[in-house]
Amino acid sequence: AQTVTQSQPEMSVQEAETVTLSCTYDTSESDYYLFWYKQPPSRQMILVIRQEAYKQQNATENRFSVNFQKAAKSFSLKISDSQLGDAAMYFCAYRYPGGNEKLTFGTGTRLTIIP
Amino acid sequence: NAGVTQTPKFQVLKTGQSMTLQCAQDMNHEYMSWYRQDPGMGLRLIHYSVGAGITDQGEVPNGYNVSRSTTEDFPLRLLSAAPSQTSVYFCASSPWGDSRNEQFFGPGTRLTVL
Repeated sequence: AQTVTQSQPEMSVQEAETVTLSCTYDTSESDYYLFWYKQPPSRQMILVIRQEAYKQQNATENRFSVNFQKAAKSFSLKISDSQLGDAAMYFCAYRYPGGNEKLTFGTGTRLTIIP
Repeated sequence: NAGVTQTPKFQVLKTGQSMTLQCAQDMNHEYMSWYRQDPGMGLRLIHYSVGAGITDQGEVPNGYNVSRSTTEDFPLRLLSAAPSQTSVYFCASSPWGDSRNEQFFGPGTRLTVL
């Protein structure tokens, strides 16, 4: 069974600094997709970034980038120039073809931005 | 487009009561699903559907029923609420057949069972 582990329940960072959130996963599949979702206090789940396992190049979206290490089954999220609006719960998630489109989530990391 | 809508936003039930959480999407997505979110446990899949008339169980289906009579709607029914069903419930939808597709989430329903 696929599992996703986020070992940092809480993280904090000074505004304008850089922070990295960790995620590891376990799978026997070779083709799959990884996602980071953001959940602000409004409770809305928002897709931040996605990575296809067959792509070696790390995905980037503006201030958000990932470090995808397929052999190590690691998928960390780097947030640069942290802003107050980045404060939220961040969930790492996994999905694979043939898995009935099910998203398997980690337990989340609560990110606090210190002004 | 309204995206994925859920009603109600909040609900308090007594043990043994029944209710239906409503979910609708206007993006013509084939795939719809229900998750529950509990503290320290992330989101877990309850039930999902890949089209009208087709539903299947996720990893925590006990105590919940679903049906899918139209592409747009995917209600979640609690037949006899229990305190263990106190949670935040999310409905999500996406096109079917490509796992890279983004799943769009509704705003959630916070359910408390006393």
